[in-house]
Amino acid sequence: DAKTTQPTSMDCAEGRAANLPCNHSTISGNEYVYWYRQIHSQGPQYIIHGLKNNETNEMASLIITEDRKSSTLILPHATLRDTAVYYCIVRAGGTSGTYKYIFGTGTRLKVLA
Amino acid sequence: DAMVIQNPRYQVTQFGKPVTLSCSQTLNHNVMYWYQQKSSQAPKLLFHYYDKDFNNEADTPDNFQSRRPNTSFCFLDIRSPGLGDAAMYLCATRRQGSTDTQYFGPGTRLTVL
Repeated sequence: DAKTTQPTSMDCAEGRAANLPCNHSTISGNEYVYWYRQIHSQGPQYIIHGLKNNETNEMASLIITEDRKSSTLILPHATLRDTAVYYCIVRAGGTSGTYKYIFGTGTRLKVLA
Repeated sequence: DAMVIQNPRYQVTQFGKPVTLSCSQTLNHNVMYWYQQKSSQAPKLLFHYYDKDFNNEADTPDNFQSRRPNTSFCFLDIRSPGLGDAAMYLCATRRQGSTDTQYFGPGTRLTVL
């Protein structure tokens, strides 16, 4: 199963874009990349996912490199409420029923006022 | 609102005393997951159910068991909790074939005395 690596922590000024990188150099062709975040003592919250095309939703944008070995989650205008641990996850498994979600170590993002 | 519910939110047990954590969902998702998350670590997959089919991770200790009596409920049984089993236990669900997004419950924090 592919593994992911992320920086341990990052700071971002409120109102600025937060760019969170993730390396998944061993990802295979049919494995998706998911991003979740976890605010202290809560369950992880889904943010966005993608396979090879860039994706955008109301929360964030996901940029995946052409070789798919890395990706970047972009929070366009970070707020204090975005302070959390952000996990880059590769979805692995052979069939839809057996998909597993392998969490990376996570990046602790601190948004500064 | 449809959701994933975990009870209790906080559970205290004694060393070696069996304990059961419960998860229920109103999403009618056919896949359910149990994760263990120790302090300052990423969630680690213990096992998952695809409908009634049980899928155990290779490194999940035998001390951990699970039951899924119906679509809505899933239980995590720890037969003889040790001090090292103190952690947050997260339940997640997924509907096969949709976006394959996981939805997490708030977690149960287990303390072993």
